[in-house]
Amino acid sequence: EAGVTQFPSHSVIEKGQTVTLRCDPISGHDNLYWYRRVMGKEIKFLLHFVKESKQDESGMPNNRFLAERTGGTYSTLKVQPAELEDSGVYFCASSQERGKGGYTFGSGTRLTVV
Amino acid sequence: SQQGEEDPQALSIQEGENATMNCSYKTSINNLQWYRQNSGRGLVHLILIRSNEREKHSGRLRVTLDTSKKSSSLLITASRAADTASYFCATAANSGNTPLVFGKGTRLSVIA
Repeated sequence: EAGVTQFPSHSVIEKGQTVTLRCDPISGHDNLYWYRRVMGKEIKFLLHFVKESKQDESGMPNNRFLAERTGGTYSTLKVQPAELEDSGVYFCASSQERGKGGYTFGSGTRLTVV
Repeated sequence: SQQGEEDPQALSIQEGENATMNCSYKTSINNLQWYRQNSGRGLVHLILIRSNEREKHSGRLRVTLDTSKKSSSLLITASRAADTASYFCATAANSGNTPLVFGKGTRLSVIA
């Protein structure tokens, strides 16, 4: 089966601009997660979708971040306007209902805000 | 709150040596997982150990789990330059769908 796909793999934008990251989970996986690793620090949870619903968005840093998962398939994470401290690697992961098969991570999107 | 805390933060060894990384966590878990991240790239799942397991092997990897001490270790034997990466432990509170909680990671450098 195809894995979790993220794109772009790398994005360089200027402060104040908008960037949209996309994640395509494994087909059939209801659960989709966003994480990020900022400036070599720990990997932090951002939010969790179950199908199209936000199950837990406690990790979203502020209202400049907006995540959607229309139709319960792929998800987008928009940063608007981007700030320098948003630079880092954004990971997406998916899992089946009840954790069957474990979590599968995508390769991540490296975001650089200059 | 941060669950997994790895130590050391950085480790540098010669090729062929063994590398041991440790992870501690604070609350009850269902399982603990180890991941690798090569520089600037994606997370790769290495191994999962459940709370009722004490030791698990996968190739050159050996993971132990001590739930009484809330700690785990990852041993990489006969290290190679290609093992150079950051290693993270991550805990899952249950077998369901709760998010993983990651530690800060250990940066391993294997010198050829």
